[in-house]
Amino acid sequence: GAVVSQHPSRVICKSGTSVKIECRSLDFQATTMFWYRQFPKKSLMLMATSNEGSKATYEQGVEKDKFLINHASLTLSTLTVTSAHPEDSSFYICSARGGSYNEQFFGPGTRLTVL
Amino acid sequence: AQSVSQHNHHVILSEAASLELGCNYSYGGTVNLFWYVQYPGQHLQLLLKYFSGDPLVKGIKGFEAEFIKSKFSFNLRKPSVQWSDTAEYFCAVMSRNTGGFKTIFGAGTRLFVKA
Repeated sequence: GAVVSQHPSRVICKSGTSVKIECRSLDFQATTMFWYRQFPKKSLMLMATSNEGSKATYEQGVEKDKFLINHASLTLSTLTVTSAHPEDSSFYICSARGGSYNEQFFGPGTRLTVL
Repeated sequence: AQSVSQHNHHVILSEAASLELGCNYSYGGTVNLFWYVQYPGQHLQLLLKYFSGDPLVKGIKGFEAEFIKSKFSFNLRKPSVQWSDTAEYFCAVMSRNTGGFKTIFGAGTRLFVKA
């Protein structure tokens, strides 16, 4: 299957700072990328869907100004958590779909801890 | 609205026992169905998927799932579990909406296999 990478794998930051997480499709062109959030011992919650070159579509209850998503190229999407607070601490997972693939491929996730 | 329901949140089995994890979804249109596994400390891995054709799908590690359209179900089965199957299992449904493809996950089932 295709490979999706995320960077960084872990990040610790102070409250009030912004954090950027990168998601890359390594061997295919990702026309659509998805960002999920996973709370401890919980399922994945879809935050937003982004198609290359257009604005992301956010799920209900997800703050657009808080979680900025950019999908500027077919291999890269970024999620920026702005003015992070401790309640934003979570595991963020991206996935990508595109090329000849009908399914989504998931990245390894980024664990964000806000102090 | 689209939703995915997994019936069991926690399952404890002894080695060699048979496994069946329930998954039901609500969506009236065409869907693609998936089961993912997440081993402790690792990221999501695809176990199996259904797009079309034979409703009985075989995946990796001896897992299989059956799509029953009339029941909106996609239950996961394994005849004889092993200790190494201890993990969390997620059912996921991908559908096409006006905004494009979207995958929604069930709450997950945490399986513990006793040696």
